Amino acid sequence: QSALTQPPSASGSPGQSVTISCTGTSSDVGRYNFVSWYQQHPGKAPELMIYEISKRPSGVPDRFFGSKSGNTASLTVSGLQAEDEADYYCSSYAVSNNLVFGGGTKLTVL
Amino acid sequence: EVQLLESGGGLVQPGGSLRLSCAASGFTFSSYAMNWVRQAPGKGLEWVSAISGGGGSTYYADSVKGRFTISRDNSKNTLYLQMNSLRAGDTAVYYCAKDYSSWFKAPDNWGQGTLVTVSS
Repeated sequence: QSALTQPPSASGSPGQSVTISCTGTSSDVGRYNFVSWYQQHPGKAPELMIYEISKRPSGVPDRFFGSKSGNTASLTVSGLQAEDEADYYCSSYAVSNNLVFGGGTKLTVL
Repeated sequence: EVQLLESGGGLVQPGGSLRLSCAASGFTFSSYAMNWVRQAPGKGLEWVSAISGGGGSTYYADSVKGRFTISRDNSKNTLYLQMNSLRAGDTAVYYCAKDYSSWFKAPDNWGQGTLVTVSS
């Protein structure tokens, strides 16, 4: 199962919005609504930010918004804050009972 | 509060074996699927294996199928990963992660990880 495709980097200034894409195939992102997004700060464990395309776990700010169109999912972070600087990974349930992750996107707050 | 504490990592020679454990607390363990996810040094996340809440269904990434075995003891609230025929490419931090469903969909809560180094 191939990894999902994410841009290696993204950036924005405080207060701005940034969108990170996650491109899969009809065997994963395009087939299922089980797309999740994780935030990982250096040396820390990942933290779930979005699940089932657009649902936010309790405690996650509504500045984080998820969406999907066809084989591509997206994470939009609005009102960028310094603490949003981290690596972001998407994941999707996939055919044959697999879970695939994206390669990760390093978000820099300028 | 969900807590997941991994143990059992360490240095092992190529071809060797290791058993990871994950002690869970703060939730009804048997009601949720569990996952193992690994991260090689400086690299991204890779899903390794998952097991249903009751333990009757197990799932593996192709990269570990036939070498790794996931299991759980719901009476002890503990998840395991038996790793055999280890290779240098298995070197990574291994995270235990609770699924948000009783079936296998995606991790929500993660442990802090345990480092496995495969080297001679």
